[in-house]
Amino acid sequence: EAQVTQNPRYLITVTGKKLTVTCSQNMNHEYMSWYRQDPGLGLRQIYYSMNVEVTDKGDVPEGYKVSRKEKRNFPLILESPSPNQTSLYFCASSLILAGEQFFGPGTRLTVL
Amino acid sequence: KNEVEQSPQNLTAQEGEFITINCSYSVGISALHWLQQHPGGGIVSLFMLSSGKKKHGRLIATINIQEKHSSLHITASHPRDSAVYICAVRLSGSARQLTFGSGTQLTVLP
Repeated sequence: EAQVTQNPRYLITVTGKKLTVTCSQNMNHEYMSWYRQDPGLGLRQIYYSMNVEVTDKGDVPEGYKVSRKEKRNFPLILESPSPNQTSLYFCASSLILAGEQFFGPGTRLTVL
Repeated sequence: KNEVEQSPQNLTAQEGEFITINCSYSVGISALHWLQQHPGGGIVSLFMLSSGKKKHGRLIATINIQEKHSSLHITASHPRDSAVYICAVRLSGSARQLTFGSGTQLTVLP
């Protein structure tokens, strides 16, 4: 089944404890993105990747890192999480830049 | 001012009603997406448009590039259509993926 998977789905952590949210797609898509969704602010792009080893900042990259060492995986790294990073995070992929977006199920992160 | 504006923010309808959700944008775009976010949080792509009109089942999406406006129509609405509908645009010449509207919360009552 074609899908985008994210892990974990739910995470409660404390300020400053490094964490990684994984994202994997099995559709051989070139483009992958991370978004965060907050009440009243909607979805905002954090980082995106156009191919292996090619990443760039979105609208709200501060406090986040990404890597794209393999085409299928695009992990989101929070080196020192803070409470303002409490949010619902979505990974998405598309075959081409202008293609249909496939979203992962979301990761609900709470930073205490 | 947001680059993508949706209206209405909230919409309640009776089952069977015809529903229209609007999206206006202020910048040049190469494509517009309509997304559906289920109550459980998952997001599904409904349509991607660069011109004209697309139809899938009871859903119809239209776009007018000159007027910078798109509409999503739902015919014969059903309670299972209750969700948040999100408009998103890809800016012309931008490699960034999407800029999103704030969403329209649709509730269809039986």
